[in-house]
Amino acid sequence: DGGITQSPKYLFRKEGQNVTLSCEQNLNHDAMYWYRQDPGQGLRLIYYSQIVNDFQKGDIAEGYSVSREKKESFPLTVTSAQKNPTAFYLCASSPGRRSQVDLRGEKLFFGSGTQLSVL
Amino acid sequence: AQTVTQSQPEMSVQEAETVTLSCTYDTSESDYYLFWYKQPPSRQMILVIRQEAYKQQNATENRFSVNFQKAAKSFSLKISDSQLGDAAMYFCAYRRVGQGAQKLVFGQGTRLTINP
Repeated sequence: DGGITQSPKYLFRKEGQNVTLSCEQNLNHDAMYWYRQDPGQGLRLIYYSQIVNDFQKGDIAEGYSVSREKKESFPLTVTSAQKNPTAFYLCASSPGRRSQVDLRGEKLFFGSGTQLSVL
Repeated sequence: AQTVTQSQPEMSVQEAETVTLSCTYDTSESDYYLFWYKQPPSRQMILVIRQEAYKQQNATENRFSVNFQKAAKSFSLKISDSQLGDAAMYFCAYRRVGQGAQKLVFGQGTRLTINP
């Protein structure tokens, strides 16, 4: 079945440690996104990528890093600089650009998320 | 910057009844998209319904419909014949057209409980 796979489902981080959250999609989508969800709040955009080897910061990129070496994969690293990393992290993808066609109304496909906690 | 506000942290409804979830947004743009997403206990986000701002007709998907009031910047979701499976967090979201269209701006969410 086509979809987005996030792993692990639960992750624990020690002080000063970097951790990497995995996101893989087999939908042949160009665009991928990382969102953070805190209790009682909506989702906030961390990073997004519209094409391989290119990505842009979202609203809350500080303390995070990403890479997009393959179309299928968009891993997120939570660095030690992120002082409050405990949250639920959601990865998403969308078909993305086709030539210069606008992204209007594109449906986002979401993974099942990773809950990150600090030990 | 665009903002999305959901003023109802929690709502409840009897099974088979109708419930309306509220959403307001702030934007200076005339063309944009609005969405309602559902997040069940599994925590996976599921698109419920989508509205194009330049279309006056309200979107409908089976038991789900919206009341889009562009001038009032209001976008409410009506769920008819509520079912137990409708219990979830519901998020309203905004997406602009053009530059910055990659970003969905979400509201804080409304937790919907269905009473049997």
